[in-house]
Amino acid sequence: AQSVSQHNHHVILSEAASLELGCNYSYGGTVNLFWYVQYPGQHLQLLLKYFSGDPLVKGIKGFEAEFIKSKFSFNLRKPSVQWSDTAEYFCAVYSGGSYIPTFGRGTSLIVHP
Amino acid sequence: NAGVMQNPRHLVRRRGQEARLRCSPMKGHSHVYWYRQLPEEGLKFMVYLQKENIIDESGMPKERFSAEFPKEGPSILRIQQVVRGDSAAYFCASSPRSMNTEAFFGQGTRLTVV
Repeated sequence: AQSVSQHNHHVILSEAASLELGCNYSYGGTVNLFWYVQYPGQHLQLLLKYFSGDPLVKGIKGFEAEFIKSKFSFNLRKPSVQWSDTAEYFCAVYSGGSYIPTFGRGTSLIVHP
Repeated sequence: NAGVMQNPRHLVRRRGQEARLRCSPMKGHSHVYWYRQLPEEGLKFMVYLQKENIIDESGMPKERFSAEFPKEGPSILRIQQVVRGDSAAYFCASSPRSMNTEAFFGQGTRLTVV
């Protein structure tokens, strides 16, 4: 069964710091990858997604992620975080024709002003 | 263009009562997923439904939990004889097709069992 690992469970940064959140998955075949964000008290919203093509994906709010197939990774990055980026971030994977997206445990990001 | 609507947003039940959580998918979406979110545990898949069919309920406890998505009306997640351990946020997501597509989430129902 597919599994998704987000190794950083809690991240605390100051504004303007750079961010990288890790996401690794276990399935070796074709995958579709997503990052979602959940602001406090709100529902999950899509940040970005990768289906095929350029492995460097640009999302909303200055976020980007890079799909590295050889490392089974899809890390999320932002060069300069803001206080408003404080949220929970979830990596999700569809794999091998599965119709159920598998989510990672999530990473809680707190950005201090 | 209304998003995924879940109600109620907050639900308090005493142990032993029934909880009914409703989810109306986005217009044109016929695929619904239910997830449970517990602190420090992320999102756990519970059940995947299409109109009138349960496609995969492998993540749902065998007892007390049931789900439906009738031809007309919202999808319902029902928890009978609730226990304190059922307290969690329950999220519904919908998508226009079954595979490899973005899932749109509702705002969730926070169930508290007292």
